[in-house]
Amino acid sequence: GENVEQHPSTLSVQEGDSAVIKCTYSDSASNYFPWYKQELGKGPQLIIDIRSNVGEKKDQRIAVTLNKTAKHFSLHITETQPEDSAVYFCAAENSGYALNFGKGTSLLVTP
Amino acid sequence: DAGITQSPRHKVTETGTPVTLRCHQTENHRYMYWYRQDPGHGLRLIHYSYGVKDTDKGEVSDGYSVSRSKTEDFLLTLESATSSQTSVYFCAISLAGGNNEQFFGPGTRLTVL
Repeated sequence: GENVEQHPSTLSVQEGDSAVIKCTYSDSASNYFPWYKQELGKGPQLIIDIRSNVGEKKDQRIAVTLNKTAKHFSLHITETQPEDSAVYFCAAENSGYALNFGKGTSLLVTP
Repeated sequence: DAGITQSPRHKVTETGTPVTLRCHQTENHRYMYWYRQDPGHGLRLIHYSYGVKDTDKGEVSDGYSVSRSKTEDFLLTLESATSSQTSVYFCAISLAGGNNEQFFGPGTRLTVL
């Protein structure tokens, strides 16, 4: 399938700081880019998504930006809290039927 | 978990035995997916279904088969389990395919000895 590269693989920030996770994709036909948060022992949970007709979307402390020309998109978490600690996955639409996922970023927010 | 259940939640089996995992949804979503999650690999698509009796392969389908006889149920079968199939398996559903939200079940942890 098409590749989705995600960086960094681990990220440690102090409470209150911002966290940024970046992804690149290869399929120029992709038009849908969701982000998932996975807590230990649970399934991934959709936290925000963006479609190719917009460049940025925000939901409280979480925002996602998309640059279709460069084929990259990013997740921004502001004012991080310990409960934001989790593994985050980006994904890109694959031919209209499925998603290709990045390998995940383990975020640790220290008090 | 958006009306998605998986059973069993944990299973230990031996190499060479058949195993069937079940995914059940109450959302009446058309698309259903099976993923496996392994350290260092993220989530990889095994098979998916776009309707009753309509299924197709994902990127890691070897050694797996699926069936969907009802909208609400999607079964994943390992015909003859191998140790390389030790993994956490997630089911997901989507109303209308890859360009729509996917919602995940709680997962099944499978260990093949």
